[in-house]
Amino acid sequence: SQQGEEDPQALSIQEGENATMNCSYKTSINNLQWYRQNSGRGLVHLILIRSNEREKHSGRLRVTLDTSKKSSSLLITASRAADTASYFCATDAKAAGNKLTFGGGTRVLVKP
Amino acid sequence: GAGVSQSPRYKVAKRGQDVALRCDPISGHVSLFWYQQALGQGPEFLTYFQNEAQLDKSGLPSDRFFAERPEGSVSTLKIQRTQQEDSAVYLCASSLGGSYQPQHFGDGTRLSIL
Repeated sequence: SQQGEEDPQALSIQEGENATMNCSYKTSINNLQWYRQNSGRGLVHLILIRSNEREKHSGRLRVTLDTSKKSSSLLITASRAADTASYFCATDAKAAGNKLTFGGGTRVLVKP
Repeated sequence: GAGVSQSPRYKVAKRGQDVALRCDPISGHVSLFWYQQALGQGPEFLTYFQNEAQLDKSGLPSDRFFAERPEGSVSTLKIQRTQQEDSAVYLCASSLGGSYQPQHFGDGTRLSIL
């Protein structure tokens, strides 16, 4: 079963706009990670945020983590057509070893 | 530098046949994971190896699923007596190990059971 819920399930924006997606989870975590998946391909790691961190940046990506609400958000700024993909959050739960538990994903379409 | 390689990319089998899916992880990665991804869903954990030791197989759906990594490198996921509900993409990932290392995924094997 999947731990996380992602919101929205799908998002359609114009190139240049920002895209925000949210993830909620259920158990205590070591870290939370975001991955991108293009159609027919494997997942690509984007960013990892530790449980004691609240915000992290990487290029056009900004991730926040609120452990009290068990939620995270991913912001992609100045989106490009190449950002079109599915985005998944994944948690590394404290009691679960190193395996990742993924949410259902947000499908992002960036229109040129 | 090679990434994680999976073969075959596509596999079609008749119900009841056995299949074997191969994963070549990134050289030097001690951790190896198998996930199952249904269409339109996120990946779901199947099993985890640290070197040749299978430390967690809690996600394997039934005893028809078997995974091995005998020399701590290449891994094979075997499904016996396949059923239609086994149709999915099977993803392999490897990492350096530990809780703060990202996982590197292959492109998966798309398995279709007729």
